[in-house]
Amino acid sequence: DAGITQSPRHKVTETGTPVTLRCHQTENHRYMYWYRQDPGHGLRLIHYSYGVKDTDKGEVSDGYSVSRSKTEDFLLTLESATSSQTSVYFCAIRQNTGELFFGEGSRLTVL
Amino acid sequence: QQQVKQSPQSLIVQKGGISIINCAYENTAFDYFPWYQQFPGKGPALLIAIRPDVSEKKEGRFTISFNKSAKQFSLHIMDSQPGDSATYFCAATSGSARQLTFGSGTQLTVLP
Repeated sequence: DAGITQSPRHKVTETGTPVTLRCHQTENHRYMYWYRQDPGHGLRLIHYSYGVKDTDKGEVSDGYSVSRSKTEDFLLTLESATSSQTSVYFCAIRQNTGELFFGEGSRLTVL
Repeated sequence: QQQVKQSPQSLIVQKGGISIINCAYENTAFDYFPWYQQFPGKGPALLIAIRPDVSEKKEGRFTISFNKSAKQFSLHIMDSQPGDSATYFCAATSGSARQLTFGSGTQLTVLP
């Protein structure tokens, strides 16, 4: 199985503060994804990356930015967190089989 | 606009029963249809998947039925067990980036 580490796993922050979530993979996969999970919405794609410095927007990208300066790390940044960004965030990688493998999630609460 | 619609939102089944979850999609460009299983506090994990050139795929107690003309697909869990209690998501994918579009999820509870 692929190795994905998300950090932090839990974070509580206040409205207006910047937040960065990190996704680290150990197997050099090209594609990485950030999803958010909310009740009634399933998982929705925020941004994805198809290589170092190559990223694209997903369905719900407003208010989020990403960066990928190394193959193994994909960062998701909320420049100014809002209460609507309270969610569980999942990172995923595309394995060599083509299947997506998900991390264990980062729970973010914005007060 | 929700491109993959999933029902029911929740499902309660007795042990040994059959659990059925349905999904419908709109985008005819979708070319791969996986189902994911998620336990509390964990990320979704691939359960079973199907391509639109087949009408059914079975893996153990899990079966996907696919109806291309109706743009619908469903997951059947035979002989449901309490350990199957989880949230199930259907999904669909297309394009070179293979990003997944998920349904809204079904919380399955299997009573002992």
